[in-house]
Amino acid sequence: NAGVTQTPKFRVLKTGQSMTLLCAQDMNHEYMYWYRQDPGMGLRLIHYSVGEGTTAKGEVPDGYNVSRLKKQNFLLGLESAAPSQTSVYFCASGRYEQYFGPGTRLTVT
Amino acid sequence: DQQVKQNSPSLSVQEGRISILNCDYTNSMFDYFLWYKKYPAEGPTFLISISSIKDKNEDGRFTVFLNKSAKHLSLHIVPSQPGDSAVYFCAASVQGAQKLVFGQGTRLTINP
Repeated sequence: NAGVTQTPKFRVLKTGQSMTLLCAQDMNHEYMYWYRQDPGMGLRLIHYSVGEGTTAKGEVPDGYNVSRLKKQNFLLGLESAAPSQTSVYFCASGRYEQYFGPGTRLTVT
Repeated sequence: DQQVKQNSPSLSVQEGRISILNCDYTNSMFDYFLWYKKYPAEGPTFLISISSIKDKNEDGRFTVFLNKSAKHLSLHIVPSQPGDSAVYFCAASVQGAQKLVFGQGTRLTINP
């Protein structure tokens, strides 16, 4: 039982490049979330999904897109990375008591 | 608009003493509150929660207190242990809502 996994763990991008972060959960949760963590800002919600095929915007959605084609997977895409997107990204599943993945540290230069 | 605020970025406590972490909220609709703990290079993990119908919830060394009139909750850790050194986030939600709102986090350091 792996819980919530994220790939990759680390990534360095140049401004303007694109990438996709993958989140997978094996707990059969309907709800999945993408957060970013920045110093002094806590955890801010980017996008979330309440079930397969659904997505919704969170607090800071600009510059990101998401897809939930399968219940167990939630993908976060950056189409044209900017230095302001340098952050640690966490995926979570569950509803109130959320289970978090280990995070992806992304640096955009 | 920061709906959930943790005004202390850091807290240092001696081992064996009580640690008290505080959290304030502004949205009176919030009725479910949680605390998460985060170690470096790991994701947050759920610690304890409380519904607004209660004013206290206890789980071992951890107790959460809720003061609805003051829109304030606190997490007490007694006794504090070195393994409690971590960042603690409080979070709030409206039951039936689809998302949590997190505070900025407080870094707790337990000194031997």
